[in-house]
Amino acid sequence: AQRVTQPEKLLSVFKGAPVELKCNYSYSGSPELFWYVQYSRQRLQLLLRHISRESIKGFTADLNKGETSFHLKKPFAQEEDSAMYYCALRNTGGFKTIFGAGTRLFVKA
Amino acid sequence: GAGVSQTPSNKVTEKGKYVELRCDPISGHTALYWYRQSLGQGPEFLIYFQGTGAADDSGLPNDRFFAVRPEGSVSTLKIQRTERGDSAVYLCASSFLAGVGTDTQYFGPGTRLTVL
Repeated sequence: AQRVTQPEKLLSVFKGAPVELKCNYSYSGSPELFWYVQYSRQRLQLLLRHISRESIKGFTADLNKGETSFHLKKPFAQEEDSAMYYCALRNTGGFKTIFGAGTRLFVKA
Repeated sequence: GAGVSQTPSNKVTEKGKYVELRCDPISGHTALYWYRQSLGQGPEFLIYFQGTGAADDSGLPNDRFFAVRPEGSVSTLKIQRTERGDSAVYLCASSFLAGVGTDTQYFGPGTRLTVL
């Protein structure tokens, strides 16, 4: 079964501390992995995708096929990073996207 | 430019009633998606359109749910005989070209449906 698991519903860190939002997936094919973010009173938006190997707003995520994980990391959290983060996958070349339940990140001053 | 818009922003209805939710995608986007997001959950895929046709409706929970996109632009999600369990935020997204590695889905603000 296709599934995305985000084990933490809430993650609270202090400003300047490293942050890691965990994501594990189960998928039989070759998935594309994504992180989406939803800031307070804003729309859900794409943060980054694994195939681009990009760093967005200081965040990076590495796809580990052996561990079927796609954890999101940032070395120094900022207050403006406080938001809801969703990990998602879809089949390569496909269109059906499966989302995790989300992790709320709260960065304290 | 204008993003994806959805109307109404909120809809309260009574159990058993019929509702229609509208999505206006970004101009030129051929792909359109509907999702349902229940409280405390991530978005759940419902249906995907490529142009006018529903390429995948495997996420529609039952035959009370139906969606159309007659001219390949605006889409309407229709729910018959609403049930309290249908209460959720219904999200619409559009993209320029589905299934391509750099394709990006742009989400609307959602319609919050409450069935009393």
